[in-house]
Amino acid sequence: DAGITQSPRHKVTETGTPVTLRCHQTENHRYMYWYRQDPGHGLRLIHYSYGVKDTDKGEVSDGYSVSRSKTEDFLLTLESATSSQTSVYFCAIRGTSDTQYFGPGTRLTVL
Amino acid sequence: SQQGEEDPQALSIQEGENATMNCSYKTSINNLQWYRQNSGRGLVHLILIRSNEREKHSGRLRVTLDTSKKSSSLLITASRAADTASYFCATDAKRGTASKLTFGTGTRLQVTL
Repeated sequence: DAGITQSPRHKVTETGTPVTLRCHQTENHRYMYWYRQDPGHGLRLIHYSYGVKDTDKGEVSDGYSVSRSKTEDFLLTLESATSSQTSVYFCAIRGTSDTQYFGPGTRLTVL
Repeated sequence: SQQGEEDPQALSIQEGENATMNCSYKTSINNLQWYRQNSGRGLVHLILIRSNEREKHSGRLRVTLDTSKKSSSLLITASRAADTASYFCATDAKRGTASKLTFGTGTRLQVTL
């Protein structure tokens, strides 16, 4: 698992509320990623980070923001959750040889 | 948009048979990777093949890459029930040092006893 944890693992929230998901790694990797997984779409990149305070957008970044104030933590925030953001969210780090290692996922339901 | 598209979407075979999954992509790549996902779990990296490689093996896995056809295949030989999972290809069109993977929609493999 490359020392990756995600919290919370499950969350149910209401439309319009802010939500923050946390990804924590213990192995000092530089690159971290947030993906969402939906039926029929596979995994899609939301945002990624290439260092502390260095982030960039992915394919589906609208409605999401990220922050990385420490190497080990990468936060994903939904400023005002919508039902279309109901999904399973995965964090990943980039290991050696460009491979990625994934966390266990967070299942988010927006009612 | 999806860079990689897997075929078939679902595959059901018996234990001991071989399973072949295909992936097609659209743009130039630096490498192509295959991942496995068991139900409700995170993805696990299986194998990476670089754009200058044509074939790679890892245990019971064999991956081929044809950059002229923009396609790859994953062969699992002598399948086991434990191979039941979804399999995803992911392409890395790395620009500079930023490695970003684009995933396909996956092949669901069911291996029955």
